Amino acid sequence: EVQLVESGGALGQPGGSLRLSCAASGFSFSTSEMNWVRQTPEKGLEWIAYINSGGGNIHYADSVKGRFTISRDNAKNSLFLQMNSLRAEDTATYYCATGTNYFDYWGQGTRVTVSS
Amino acid sequence: SYELAQPPSLSVLPGQTASLTCSGNRLGEKFVCWYQQRPGQSPVLIIYQDQKRPSGIPGRFSGSNSGDTATLTISETQALDEGVYYCQTWDSATDVVFGGGTKLTVL
Repeated sequence: EVQLVESGGALGQPGGSLRLSCAASGFSFSTSEMNWVRQTPEKGLEWIAYINSGGGNIHYADSVKGRFTISRDNAKNSLFLQMNSLRAEDTATYYCATGTNYFDYWGQGTRVTVSS
Repeated sequence: SYELAQPPSLSVLPGQTASLTCSGNRLGEKFVCWYQQRPGQSPVLIIYQDQKRPSGIPGRFSGSNSGDTATLTISETQALDEGVYYCQTWDSATDVVFGGGTKLTVL
């Protein structure tokens, strides 16, 4: 059974940093493309970052480019999102998800709140 | 930037057919997928590449895409089909784009 378990969501300060993790199991993580997608009641679903299986091909949405960094550790079946220069509009539930142009499997999400 | 428009809500009686639409400029030239999100749960992929169903998705769910509109059709709608349905597309110019979602209510 495919399992994606996000963690690291917390209350962050504007301008501060948070690091999200996604632990994967039940499939071949090292050969899978991965993404981070976030959701807010106001803006709905928003794809924010993609990384290919080897980590050498990465794409970001304009809204997070230069502030967020996606990475992975295939030896530990883990995906990460380093979030810097946090803004109030980064408040959302963050999901890791498998896939390239569409998302086959999603985790349960982790909540990030940016507020002073 | 590319946009996908979905009606915010749709109501249907049990057993009836629900047709959920997703509109975008020349959307028929792109691939579309659909997700179901039940209350308190994560999205689940139910249709990809316009009309393909992942394993485990009932045949009551079907998709089409032509012109400016993609349609998700749910036949014999059941109470458990209630939730929000999102369409999504992508291409090299727009990356990934989601629609705003349609909340389906089974009366």
